[in-house]
Amino acid sequence: LAKTTQPISMDSYEGQEVNITCSHNNIATNDYITWYQQFPSQGPRFIIQGYKTKVTNEVASLFIPADRKSSTLSLPRVSLSDTAVYYCLATGFQKLVFGTGTRLLVSP
Amino acid sequence: EAQVTQNPRYLITVTGKKLTVTCSQNMNHEYMSWYRQDPGLGLRQIYYSMNVEVTDKGDVPEGYKVSRKEKRNFPLILESPSPNQTSLYFCASSTNVLARGRTGANVLTFGAGSRLTVL
Repeated sequence: LAKTTQPISMDSYEGQEVNITCSHNNIATNDYITWYQQFPSQGPRFIIQGYKTKVTNEVASLFIPADRKSSTLSLPRVSLSDTAVYYCLATGFQKLVFGTGTRLLVSP
Repeated sequence: EAQVTQNPRYLITVTGKKLTVTCSQNMNHEYMSWYRQDPGLGLRQIYYSMNVEVTDKGDVPEGYKVSRKEKRNFPLILESPSPNQTSLYFCASSTNVLARGRTGANVLTFGAGSRLTVL
């Protein structure tokens, strides 16, 4: 079970690309990297998951270098509605542990 | 609609009065879990269950009990609530990728949350 480290907060403006980096130095061979988004008073929502290299879906991209000790969530052209807390997990299938996340504030 | 349903959504109770927060999912998920969320502490896992009759402690199990008698339900029981259990609670479920012979990590679907206040 790898501990993850993320920035506590980030600020951006509408239309910019936002990259949130997560460190997971002790990631295990079987662990995957998963990102969730949480709005106030709501449960987290799955964004993207990957094992290595690059994964892209309709809302984000996930970049994972060859050593897998870190990952970067990329949000293209953010809007005000992307203001939320973003959690990075490096886990398998048992104890799914969330950290304190990164609070992203998008301003006009 | 595929969902995780928690009840009650809001509850104010008093110290020592036993309560149960129910959680039900309609997605035939093997894996279920309870989290509590407190300001500045993120989400902390209380208990999880890999399948029926299989439960295990998370990071903050003290003061809580769970049971998994049926696949769809995973109630959280506070036998004697105390004020430090005032929190926002989330139930979540997922397919168990290991049980289904897949690769990857479990992807959680969360309930809407239950805000509990213990006076």
